[in-house]
Amino acid sequence: GAVVSQHPSWVICKSGTSVKIECRSLDFQATTMFWYRQFPKQSLMLMATSNEGSKATYEQGVEKDKFLINHASLTLSTLTVTSAHPEDSSFYICSASIQNRDRGRNQPQHFGDGTRLSIL
Amino acid sequence: LAKTTQPISMDSYEGQEVNITCSHNNIATNDYITWYQQFPSQGPRFIIQGYKTKVTNEVASLFIPADRKSSTLSLPRVSLSDTAVYYCLVGDQAGTALIFGKGTTLSVSS
Repeated sequence: GAVVSQHPSWVICKSGTSVKIECRSLDFQATTMFWYRQFPKQSLMLMATSNEGSKATYEQGVEKDKFLINHASLTLSTLTVTSAHPEDSSFYICSASIQNRDRGRNQPQHFGDGTRLSIL
Repeated sequence: LAKTTQPISMDSYEGQEVNITCSHNNIATNDYITWYQQFPSQGPRFIIQGYKTKVTNEVASLFIPADRKSSTLSLPRVSLSDTAVYYCLVGDQAGTALIFGKGTTLSVSS
């Protein structure tokens, strides 16, 4: 089945550091990927939609200069948390779906295993 | 706002069948209904997807009435390892962001 890989799975760093998280679709091409954030005991919150070759679309309340998204190829999207602070500590998850025209539109989205970000 | 409403929590015992119902009164014509399972510190895992009537795979069944305003995920003979959060989502999937509700926390005991 379709696989989405995230790297790293866990990051611990000092306040003020910038952290890059990678999301890769391993066996399919994804023109659109999505980034979510999940705090403990809460549901996933959509942060932004990452579009290959164009600017990301951010949800209301998400700072685009804080969370930089780059989708340079059909299999890779990156999320960079710039100048991270303790309040940015969270579980970040990406997702993607197969958009091969031969497979139709009803392909479910597949999620990465998430990246646990801890800012000290 | 999430498009779906589910019970916050459910409890069950090993070997029982568990049915989780989800309400989606404003489902659109193009929307599919998809269920995901999430364990702590992991990304959601796809369980099953349907558009109407009944869908069955090796792990679950999905029942969707004719009006499509609700759906029921059925897990046969649950085990302790089925303890997780289950999310019901509606959307046309490809290229469309999924908006998560609170999900249903299923606790399976021995």
